[in-house]
Amino acid sequence: DTAVSQTPKYLVTQMGNDKSIKCEQNLGHDTMYWYKQDSKKFLKIMFSYNNKELIINETVPNRFSPKSPDKAHLNLHINSLELGDSAVYFCASSQAWDGATDTQYFGPGTRLTVL
Amino acid sequence: GQNIDQPTEMTATEGAIVQINCTYQTSGFNGLFWYQQHAGEAPTFLSYNVLDGLEEKGRFSSFLSRSKGYSYLLLKELQMKDSASYLCAVLDSNYQLIWGAGTKLIIKP
Repeated sequence: DTAVSQTPKYLVTQMGNDKSIKCEQNLGHDTMYWYKQDSKKFLKIMFSYNNKELIINETVPNRFSPKSPDKAHLNLHINSLELGDSAVYFCASSQAWDGATDTQYFGPGTRLTVL
Repeated sequence: GQNIDQPTEMTATEGAIVQINCTYQTSGFNGLFWYQQHAGEAPTFLSYNVLDGLEEKGRFSSFLSRSKGYSYLLLKELQMKDSASYLCAVLDSNYQLIWGAGTKLIIKP
C-alpha cells in the first residue's frame, strides 16, 4: 500500500563507487522528482520527469543520471561518489507537472553516506 | 535571486498556539505550500494557499498575503506529536517548488 517507495533506505559506500537508488510510485501520477536534503535540511530539487520525459534538470554534476523506464519509476544513478554527495535523497511524485494544486507525495528517503 | 525565509527554531508549550512565519521573494508566484517533516522521515503535505486569506484545516491554519510576500502556519492545541520541522515552499513562475530551510518546532510539556 506504500504510495512512494525508495530502495535502499540506507546506503553506505566508499568514495569513487557507483550506486543507484530506485523509486516507484503506485499513485498513477504523471510526474516524479528527485530531491537532495543536506545536513542543513534544505530540500533542493535535482530532477523532475513528466511521463518519462525530463522537465527539470537543476545544476547538478553530470555524475548524477536519472532514468525513468516508465512513469511509475524514476531511478537515480550516481557515478564516482564524492564525500559531498552524503545527504538524504527523497523521491516524490505529483499528478501533474505544473504542480498547481497537486501535492507532492514523498518517499521515505535514502540516507546516503559516502566514506 | 529567490529566497524563502523562516525562523530556524521555535519552542512552544503543549496545549498552546504557535505561529510559524514565512516570507518569500520569488520569480512569480503560483501558490505556497506548508509541509511537516518529522526527524528522519519524509515531508508530508499540510496546506496549499494561492489566494489571500486564511485556510483552516482542523488544528492547523495557513494564511497568505501575496502583496506582502508573507505566509504563516498556525498550530492550535499543540500536541507533543507536533514536534517536527515545518517547511514553507513556493511554486514560482516556472512551476518549480522553492523550499525554505524549515522551522524546527519543539513542544515542551
